[in-house]
Amino acid sequence: EIVLTQSPGTLSLSPGERATLSCRASQSVSSTYLAWYQQKLGQAPRLLMSGVSNRATGIPDRFSGSGSGTDFTLTISRLEPEDFAVYYCQQYGRLPTFGQGTKVEIK
Amino acid sequence: QVQLVQSGAEVKKPGASVKVSCKASGYNFIAHYMNWVRQAPGQGLEWMGMINPSGGYTSFAQKFQGRVSVTRDTSTSTVYMELSSLTSEDTAVYYCARNPYGAGSYFEYWGQGTLVTVSS
Repeated sequence: EIVLTQSPGTLSLSPGERATLSCRASQSVSSTYLAWYQQKLGQAPRLLMSGVSNRATGIPDRFSGSGSGTDFTLTISRLEPEDFAVYYCQQYGRLPTFGQGTKVEIK
Repeated sequence: QVQLVQSGAEVKKPGASVKVSCKASGYNFIAHYMNWVRQAPGQGLEWMGMINPSGGYTSFAQKFQGRVSVTRDTSTSTVYMELSSLTSEDTAVYYCARNPYGAGSYFEYWGQGTLVTVSS
């Protein structure tokens, strides 16, 4: 099983600031099978990014993904009020696993 | 449009089983794998298993092997997840989530979630 470790656990930022979220895998993630999800309180997760850097339908371009192998990053260039949420990375190989999440909170 | 509508909240006693349904609409049901993911209160997401609705093939996380069953009814476009031998640690919101294509894919659409509470 591939273990994903996200950091930091909590990110305290102000609207307009840049957010950088990290996701590190215990072994190489095959074929760029890395996704990111956003979850707001009381809601189901929403797909943000697949294949490391491909934005899902309707996701604004302030969200970007990068990385390869075992180190991946989700960047939100300028935080909007609706971006404060919990973010999860996921590898979706044969047996999918999720990271434990990063909470982006208002400072 | 794609919709995944799950059954309502359940309260179960320890040792019992629970069966949660996920009714799909708006797409070709047998063309897309379906997954089950759970989230304990205040915790992260945990993948439980998946089914290929076309042939019924299933795959599960090792943690749930022998305790979870996922089936489908193609006549009603519904996927079912049954979890047995419940303990308080199974208290969670259970989500179904659809792949855009086969296995080894991300989760494009999600159900609204079903809260299962295990309490004596």
